[in-house]
Amino acid sequence: GESVGLHLPTLSVQEGDNSIINCAYSNSASDYFIWYKQESGKGPQFIIDIRSNMDKRQGQRVTVLLNKTVKHLSLQIAATQPGDSAVYFCAENKLGGAQKLVFGQGTRLTINP
Amino acid sequence: NAGVTQTPKFQVLKTGQSMTLQCAQDMNHNSMYWYRQDPGMGLRLIYYSASEGTTDKGEVPNGYNVSRLNKREFSLRLESAAPSQTSVYFCASWSRLSTDTQYFGPGTRLTVL
Repeated sequence: GESVGLHLPTLSVQEGDNSIINCAYSNSASDYFIWYKQESGKGPQFIIDIRSNMDKRQGQRVTVLLNKTVKHLSLQIAATQPGDSAVYFCAENKLGGAQKLVFGQGTRLTINP
Repeated sequence: NAGVTQTPKFQVLKTGQSMTLQCAQDMNHNSMYWYRQDPGMGLRLIYYSASEGTTDKGEVPNGYNVSRLNKREFSLRLESAAPSQTSVYFCASWSRLSTDTQYFGPGTRLTVL
């Protein structure tokens, strides 16, 4: 079946540096993508989303890039802080009807002081 | 506004026992979802309810049943628990009218011995 996967399971960066988390998706029909942050012992928390009619979307310290040609999604976090340490998941969906998200495996981001 | 709440937070069962996980949302969302998350993996959809009065299978429905009790509440039942059902269970809700993203509860950590 179709699935969303991540290139790297773990990522460590120095506090203050920028981080990039990658995601590959395989369902070309997907037109809505979301990044979630999951802290230990908690449920996933929405970070940012992007629709397939966009290539880039920016939020506060976060940017999501979408490359539909190679079915690749990335999350950039600027000036990382200790509170950014978490597992990050990408998820995909086809808009319309019930929202049935397909999640990737996740990347654990560790911010080193 | 509590968002999505789940009970219990933790549960230990013996093989063959039954239990019901409870979920409630106070955001007036139409759709509700049950996911499971196994160690080192993303979330997988068990069942969902697109609207009050309807339920549908997700990716991994075997061994589970659900009930959409009313618009607020969506329960997940394990009739005869198996060790393979040891996991963290998350409930989520969503409404196309108010948001493009699902909101998640804090999770229930279930261990089946």
